[in-house]
This record gives sequence, structure tokens and C-alpha cells, in this order.
Amino acid sequence: GAVVSQHPSRVICKSGTSVKIECRSLDFQATTMFWYRQFPKQSLMLMATSNEGSKATYEQGVEKDKFLINHASLTLSTLTVTSAHPEDSSFYICSARGPREYNEQFFGPGTRLTVL
Amino acid sequence: GQNIDQPTEMTATEGAIVQINCTYQTSGFNGLFWYQQHAGEAPTFLSYNVLDGLEEKGRFSSFLSRSKGYSYLLLKELQMKDSASYLCAVMDSNYQLIWGAGTKLIIKP
Repeated sequence: GAVVSQHPSRVICKSGTSVKIECRSLDFQATTMFWYRQFPKQSLMLMATSNEGSKATYEQGVEKDKFLINHASLTLSTLTVTSAHPEDSSFYICSARGPREYNEQFFGPGTRLTVL
Repeated sequence: GQNIDQPTEMTATEGAIVQINCTYQTSGFNGLFWYQQHAGEAPTFLSYNVLDGLEEKGRFSSFLSRSKGYSYLLLKELQMKDSASYLCAVMDSNYQLIWGAGTKLIIKP
């Protein structure tokens, strides 16, 4: 099956610092990757869609300059939370859509971000 | 607007059967997904329905009626490890997943 990894799985940082989260498709090439955020007891909220080699498409209300997404290769997308604040503390999950099955998304294990 | 509705929480007994319903209104339809999510973990895929009818996979079954905008997930022979949130998601005409808020399922001995 298709495997997606995320790194780090958990990060604690001070307010004002930047944090980078990596999402990798391990055994397939992902033309499209999605970044989600999930607050406690809430559903997944799509933040942005990134296509390899092009700019990410952000959902309404998501700040492009704060959440920088780079999808430089078919196996790697990164999300950088710049100048993180306590309200950015959340569970960040990426998913990847492979070129074979357009309707299928494979999820990474998620990254728990805590901003002090 | 697009909307996915499912109950917030359900309780069932170990060994029993539970049905989790999901109704949806979306712009276009390219399939309905059910995911299981344990606390602190990412969702894991359970089922995918794009045609009307029942799809059975072991203890889990999923049903879809496109004309009614309705689906359910049926869990049989419940085990304690089935305690989790169950997320209903619909893929719209842009192949984007629209997520429900999830149903927290509590299994009691």
C-alpha cells in the first residue's frame, strides 16, 4: 500500500519561532498533497492544496505568508509555520494523492505542534 | 453551501452492532469515504462508496444512497478497540474532500 510519512511527529517551540513540517510519500509519486489542521474535538480543516512544481492553493482564511508550503518534488511537501503563536498549536496532517487512483488520498501520521 | 452531518457521539456495547449515519449536501459527488481516527492519530481509511448499495468488508459495512444524500457505516461484533471517532467525507466535483465533524463512538463492556 501507499505510505506517507511526516516529520516531526511532535514539536514544542517558543512563540515567535518558525517550525517546518515535512510530508513524504515513501513508495509512490504524489502529484498533489493536502495540508490539514485539526483542533481538539473538531474535524479536519483543509488548509491548502499543493501541486508539485506550482504554488499552493490556500483555503479561505488561511494566511499564505504565515503557512508557507513548498512542494518541490513528487515525494516531498513542506509546511512552515512562521512566527508561531500559541493559537497555532494544533494537529497538522498531510495527505497525498497519487496519480493512479485520483479519488484516493493517503494520510500521514500527523504532527502535534505546541507553541508555548 | 456544502454540508456533511453526522451524530456527535454514540455509545454501544461490546459485541453489539452500531450504525453511524451521514447525510450530505455537496457541489458534485465523486464518492463518499469513511475514516476511523483514534485520539491523537491521523485518520485511517475504512471504505469508499461511489455507487448506490452496500459494501461489506469484514466487520465493517458501508451503504450509500446518492438520491437521498445518505450513507451509513455499520460496525458488527464491536470490540473495545473500535472506540474512536468515525469521519464521513465526500469528494466534491473538484476532487476535494469535504469532511464531517466526526462521530465519537464509545464502546462499553
